[in-house]
Amino acid sequence: EVQLVQSGAEVKKPGESLKISCKGSGYSFTSYWIGWVRQMPGKGLEWMGIIYPGDSDTRYSPSFQGQVTISADKSISTAYLQWSSLKASDTAMYYCARTGGLYEEFDYWGQGTLVTVSS
Amino acid sequence: QSALTQPASVSGSPGQSITISCTGTSSDVGSYNLVSWYQQHPGKAPKLMIYEGSKRPSGVSNRFSGSKSGNTASLTISGLQAEDEADYYCCSYAGSSAWVFGGGTKLTVL
Repeated sequence: EVQLVQSGAEVKKPGESLKISCKGSGYSFTSYWIGWVRQMPGKGLEWMGIIYPGDSDTRYSPSFQGQVTISADKSISTAYLQWSSLKASDTAMYYCARTGGLYEEFDYWGQGTLVTVSS
Repeated sequence: QSALTQPASVSGSPGQSITISCTGTSSDVGSYNLVSWYQQHPGKAPKLMIYEGSKRPSGVSNRFSGSKSGNTASLTISGLQAEDEADYYCCSYAGSSAWVFGGGTKLTVL
């Protein structure tokens, strides 16, 4: 069974750094891309970027380029989304999702990680 | 890349059919047959309902169907059921290895 299990909720202060994770199982982790999607409170879904864990090829939405870093450690089948300096506007639910390729849909989703940034 | 345009809300009675539109541009919806639709119930992760414009993943009811004309994609749900009440999002490939979502549509089953 394909599963994407995300790390737990986080509460951080503005300016702090953060790295959240997404662990894949039940499939060949290095043969599929992992994407990240933001959902701000009460708002819609936003495509952030994707990574191919096989060779760490990474693509970003222009809206998120330079704001976050997507990475992966294929040895432990885990993808990451990280911030170097959080802002209150980063408060959102973040989902990871699997896709077969750059031109394919997200077929499996993680349960989401709620990030709250507040002073 | 701007978000695709969806109606904020649609509603229908059990058994009826509804259609949700998703309007993009010639740079995204109009250029690629790569529109997907996701269903999201409150507090839950999105679920893939339609991909490549009109294909259904295994396990998704055939009451859900997708189509496209020009820069507008559509999701039709026939035989509405109470369990269909959810938010629905379209998503299109937008070139340069990036995708864009629609703003979402809240479906109410009356």
